[in-house]
Amino acid sequence: AQSVTQPDIHITVSEGASLELRCNYSYGATPYLFWYVQSPGQGLQLLLKYFSGDTLVQGIKGFEAEFKRSQSSFNLRKPSVHWSDAAEYFCAVGADNAGNMLTFGGGTRLMVKP
Amino acid sequence: KAGVTQTPRYLIKTRGQQVTLSCSPISGHRSVSWYQQTPGQGLQFLFEYFSETQRNKGNFPGRFSGRQFSNSRSEMNVSTLELGDSALYLCASSTQARSYEQYFGPGTRLTVT
Repeated sequence: AQSVTQPDIHITVSEGASLELRCNYSYGATPYLFWYVQSPGQGLQLLLKYFSGDTLVQGIKGFEAEFKRSQSSFNLRKPSVHWSDAAEYFCAVGADNAGNMLTFGGGTRLMVKP
Repeated sequence: KAGVTQTPRYLIKTRGQQVTLSCSPISGHRSVSWYQQTPGQGLQFLFEYFSETQRNKGNFPGRFSGRQFSNSRSEMNVSTLELGDSALYLCASSTQARSYEQYFGPGTRLTVT
């Protein structure tokens, strides 16, 4: 079975600073990897996804993520954080034999200091 | 194109009652998945329906059930509610039969008293 770990429960960065959110997954084959963002009281919005091919994927809102098979990681990055990026971020993994079932990490809550 | 809609958005029920939540997927999407989100357990997969058939089920008791209609709309039902069922229930839809992009609705906030 697949699993996802997001080691950082809370992260605080200053507006304009760079951001990296960590995600480690466990799955025997090539996973489908996703990052979602959730604002308070809202559903989840897909930021980006990785299925295959180029290991650096670009997403919406200026986010990118890099798939590193050797480290079983899929870290999310943004070069310059905006106050509106404050939210909770979830990494998720899907599997080829699991239909549309996603396994989510515990989430990382991002706070942005002015 | 309209997004995933869930009704009702908020619900308060009493222990022992049952509840039905509804999800209307994006037009053309045939897969609907349900997730439970709680502060303690995080996001947990409940079940997935594709073309009216349940394809996957998470590790939840039989009190949790669902179905999908021919128009792809889905309902989930929780019988004999317990306090621990208080959660945000999220529905997601997708065009594909396996892990491709899923679009989430705003959720139904269920409070059990």
